[in-house]
Amino acid sequence: AQKVTQAQTEISVVEKEDVTLDCVYETRDTTYYLFWYKQPPSGELVFLIRRNSFDEQNEISGRYSWNFQKSTSSFNFTITASQVVDSAVYFCALSEAPASNTGKLIFGQGTTLQVKP
Amino acid sequence: GAGVSQSPSNKVTEKGKDVELRCDPISGHTALYWYRQSLGQGLEFLIYFQGNSAPDKSGLPSDRFSAERTGGSVSTLTIQRTQQEDSAVYLCASSSPGGAGANVLTFGAGSRLTVL
Repeated sequence: AQKVTQAQTEISVVEKEDVTLDCVYETRDTTYYLFWYKQPPSGELVFLIRRNSFDEQNEISGRYSWNFQKSTSSFNFTITASQVVDSAVYFCALSEAPASNTGKLIFGQGTTLQVKP
Repeated sequence: GAGVSQSPSNKVTEKGKDVELRCDPISGHTALYWYRQSLGQGLEFLIYFQGNSAPDKSGLPSDRFSAERTGGSVSTLTIQRTQQEDSAVYLCASSSPGGAGANVLTFGAGSRLTVL
């Protein structure tokens, strides 16, 4: 069965610190997608990134970077020089192989990040 | 529309009443999903539609829950004889059929249900 584990329930940092949010997943599929979503206090989930299991290249987008390691089934998310506006709940998610493609996402429990000024 | 629209945004009901929650997906998105988020919890999958068909209803918690989709567009989630444990935010999402948007779910703002 598919499963996503975000072991960190809450993280608190001071502005400008770097912070890494951990995500470990389980799947029997050989192809799959991994995602990160952000849920700010307003409540609406915002898509951040999708990564295909074939592509293990790390990705950087501004202050955000993602480290995908298939060998350890991890897809960690790092925010560099955190800002107060980064305060949110962050969800890691997994979807099944594109070929069967219901597109259903299995979410982790989320990590609440608080960035203090 | 430009985004996924859900109504009502808030619903307070009494235990035992039926409620209907509505979702209007992004135009052209053939896939539609309902999720539930309870206080302090992650997102729990409820049901998936492809067009008007629901090939995956595995997440519906009981037979009090049902959903339909008409015209490949609007979907309604119905909860009959509501219980207090049904209190949660019900999130709807849609995704495009292929290409770069495949499997990327766009979520609505949710419908917060409180059962007294």
